[in-house]
Amino acid sequence: DAGITQSPRYKITETGRQVTLMCHQTWSHSYMFWYRQDLGHGLRLIYYSAAADITDKGEVPDGYVVSRSKTENFPLTLESATRSQTSVYFCASSESGFQPQHFGDGTRLSIL
Amino acid sequence: SQQGEEDPQALSIQEGENATMNCSYKTSINNLQWYRQNSGRGLVHLILIRSNEREKHSGRLRVTLDTSKKSSSLLITASRAADTASYFCATVSYNTDKLIFGTGTRLQVFP
Repeated sequence: DAGITQSPRYKITETGRQVTLMCHQTWSHSYMFWYRQDLGHGLRLIYYSAAADITDKGEVPDGYVVSRSKTENFPLTLESATRSQTSVYFCASSESGFQPQHFGDGTRLSIL
Repeated sequence: SQQGEEDPQALSIQEGENATMNCSYKTSINNLQWYRQNSGRGLVHLILIRSNEREKHSGRLRVTLDTSKKSSSLLITASRAADTASYFCATVSYNTDKLIFGTGTRLQVFP
């Protein structure tokens, strides 16, 4: 089915561990985005990508790494997780930076 | 930093009533978009209004845009319990290619 899927939906890990959140879209959209959603902050952009092999920082990129070797995939890695990275993470895609974005259902990440 | 700020932060109404949410932003925009988020789900795009448009309709939704006041409003007419969700505005500026979201309005519609 066409759409955008995130995995896992829930993840619990410990501080200092590496964790990778996956995002896959089937529309061949050029743009993909990673957001985190925290109470009181709304959605904040972590990283985005305008095309394969092109990535750029958003508002809160520190502690995160992304890659985009294929148009359809945009994984987000926390190289050494910290408690402050406990959040709900959303991936989104769009045809262009100006167009509406399509969101996945999120990954709820807890770091103990 | 948030570009859009929604008002009110929370709104409770009865089914059949209208719900109005407001959004203010800071810089010149290319377009403004409204999204809905049901509990535990991702955001869903509702409507996009361009900077040269003043009003747009989609079903029970009516969006207005006042670029002189840097504000927008979302009106949901004849609300239903299924409209219970958080609503976010998001803006795109001319010199960027990413959305900036506000903090949202939580709407509760009681049957």
